[in-house]
Amino acid sequence: NAGVTQTPKFQVLKTGQSMTLQCAQDMNHNSMYWYRQDPGMGLRLIYYSASEGTTDKGEVPNGYNVSRLNKREFSLRLESAAPSQTSVYFCASRGRGTPPYEQYFGPGTRLTVT
Amino acid sequence: TQLLEQSPQFLSIQEGENLTVYCNSSSVFSSLQWYRQEPGEGPVLLVTVVTGGEVKKLKRLTFQFGDARKDSSLHITAAQPGDTGLYLCAGDRGGSNYKLTFGKGTLLTVNP
Repeated sequence: NAGVTQTPKFQVLKTGQSMTLQCAQDMNHNSMYWYRQDPGMGLRLIYYSASEGTTDKGEVPNGYNVSRLNKREFSLRLESAAPSQTSVYFCASRGRGTPPYEQYFGPGTRLTVT
Repeated sequence: TQLLEQSPQFLSIQEGENLTVYCNSSSVFSSLQWYRQEPGEGPVLLVTVVTGGEVKKLKRLTFQFGDARKDSSLHITAAQPGDTGLYLCAGDRGGSNYKLTFGKGTLLTVNP
């Protein structure tokens, strides 16, 4: 039981390049989330998927797209990377059933855009 | 607008001291969670408080949810270097979207 896994762990992009961050969970959770974490800003929600087949914008969605490929996988795509997207990206998942619903986080992807 | 305000933002103390971290909001939350994050890792859940006035203890850590469910505190007794990390509070406002609102965190350093 690996929990939430993310790939890659580190990435350096040049401005304008594209890439996809991958996330998978093996806990049979319905909801999945993408956050970015910047110094002094805490965790900010980019996009989330409350259940398979649905995605919704979070607090800071501009410049990103997501795909809920199936119940296990939720990817985040940067179509044209910008230096402002330099950050640490975390994927999380959340179960369903009796509340409260704790979120479980992956180890993060550290992205630098030059 | 930051819905959850954490204080202090930074805290550096000596081993053996006590400390309290605060998480305040003007909004009501159906539950509030505390996470701890170590460098290079993702946040890990410490505790969830659900009922107004609830107090939960986790070894030397004591968590309290305010009576009105708008604020929470984390108290650490006799801090140890292993307690060093970023402490995040996160509130669940309920509803069907399952989103959490995170505070900006308190970076705690416990010096030996």
